[in-house]
Amino acid sequence: SAVISQKPSRDICQRGTSLTIQCQVDSQVTMMFWYRQQPGQSLTLIATANQGSEATYESGFVIDKFPISRPNLTFSTLTVSNMSPEDSSIYLCSVDSAAGHQETQYFGPGTRLLVL
Amino acid sequence: LAKTTQPISMDSYEGQEVNITCSHNNIATNDYITWYQQFPSQGPRFIIQGYKTKVTNEVASLFIPADRKSSTLSLPRVSLSDTAVYYCLVANSGSARQLTFGSGTQLTVLP
Repeated sequence: SAVISQKPSRDICQRGTSLTIQCQVDSQVTMMFWYRQQPGQSLTLIATANQGSEATYESGFVIDKFPISRPNLTFSTLTVSNMSPEDSSIYLCSVDSAAGHQETQYFGPGTRLLVL
Repeated sequence: LAKTTQPISMDSYEGQEVNITCSHNNIATNDYITWYQQFPSQGPRFIIQGYKTKVTNEVASLFIPADRKSSTLSLPRVSLSDTAVYYCLVANSGSARQLTFGSGTQLTVLP
């Protein structure tokens, strides 16, 4: 299994500011994913980030609001731009790790964001 | 996308077997079924994955009927530490992955 770390683990931010969340994996992976989990809710996929190409965003999420970088096969960042209280969520990074012939997703510990 | 449906919550007692069922009527031929466990303030943790029939590992079993329109996660002899939210995920493999998490089931294990 892949070991994933995220920074920061939590933050409190003022509305209108931006926060960049880092995700580091202990092995090279092709695909990395960013999720949002609002309080008491399930996980919602924001985007898929492949190294060397533009991230692919899910419906309801746009690059201007959630720019993503994927400079190499072990690292990615997600920026939450021009934050509002509605952006208060847990943001999770995950990666695919092949388990036999199947692909399994492993998740980081998450970044808990509170926007005031 | 294969939408999934799970019970919102379940209660059980220590030592009992717990079965959580997930419905995924629109599952595609190349979709796998994966279950995750999530504790508060942590990322989801992989439990088990399967495609059809039965899969068993050291912590759980996964039962998938022939039509694959549902799956059941079975936790043998639960303990208080198994209190968590359990998510069913149906996703395909490959570069065109589509990932849909269910609503999750809050399992509460009582003493």
